[in-house]
Amino acid sequence: ILNVEQSPQSLHVQEGDSTNFTCSFPSSNFYALHWYRWETAKSPEALFVMTLNGDEKKKGRISATLNTKEGYSYLYIKGSQPEDSATYLCAFRVDSNYQLIWGAGTKLIIKP
Amino acid sequence: NAGVTQTPKFQVLKTGQSMTLQCAQDMNHEYMSWYRQDPGMGLRLIHYSVGAGITDQGEVPNGYNVSRSTTEDFPLRLLSAAPSQTSVYFCASSYSRQGRNEQFFGPGTRLTVL
Repeated sequence: ILNVEQSPQSLHVQEGDSTNFTCSFPSSNFYALHWYRWETAKSPEALFVMTLNGDEKKKGRISATLNTKEGYSYLYIKGSQPEDSATYLCAFRVDSNYQLIWGAGTKLIIKP
Repeated sequence: NAGVTQTPKFQVLKTGQSMTLQCAQDMNHEYMSWYRQDPGMGLRLIHYSVGAGITDQGEVPNGYNVSRSTTEDFPLRLLSAAPSQTSVYFCASSYSRQGRNEQFFGPGTRLTVL
C-alpha cells in the first residue's frame, strides 16, 4: 500500500520567521510529486509539480526541494506572513497508474 | 474561463436516497477525478477518468458511480446514501493523464447524510 506522510501535522510560526515541513513518499517507481496550498473555505491550489531528483522550485517566498532516491520533499517558506496560513498538501504519483496519493497535510498558522 | 465548477455546494440527504453531484470544466482537460476529504485524512480518490468514455476506480469507489460522456462533464452518483458518505467532495481536472500537470479543483460539495 502506497503511503504519503507529511510532518508536522500542524505548525505555529511567528510572523516574519521562516519555516519548513516535510513530505515523505515511497522512493521506488517515482513519477511526480505535487505541492498544493489549501486555504480555509477555498479549494486546493497548485504550488509546484516536481519530477526530477534534485529539483528545486520557487514561487515568491515559497520554495521546494525534491529527493527521489530517499523519498522526501521539503517545502520552505521564508519570512512567513499571515496570508501564508493554510494547509499544505503533497501528493505523489508512481509511474504505473494515473492516481495521485495524497498526504494528510501540514496545517500552518502564522501568529502576528 | 469558469475553471472547474461543482453543484450543489451543500446537500443534505436521508439514508437510502440517491443523488448526483455535478462537475464540469471548460479547460478541455483530459483527466478528471473525484475526491472525498474527511477530517484528519488526505484527499482520497473515488473515481477518475482519463478521457471521454473512460473511467476507472480509485481508492474508495464503493457506493459511487461515474460516467464521462463528454470531455467537459464528470458527474458522481451516490446510489444509496449512507451516513459514512458524509464528507466534502472535490472534483478536479488536469490537462493530461500523465500526472505531471497541476490539478485544478472545484469549490467542493459538502454532503451530509442523516
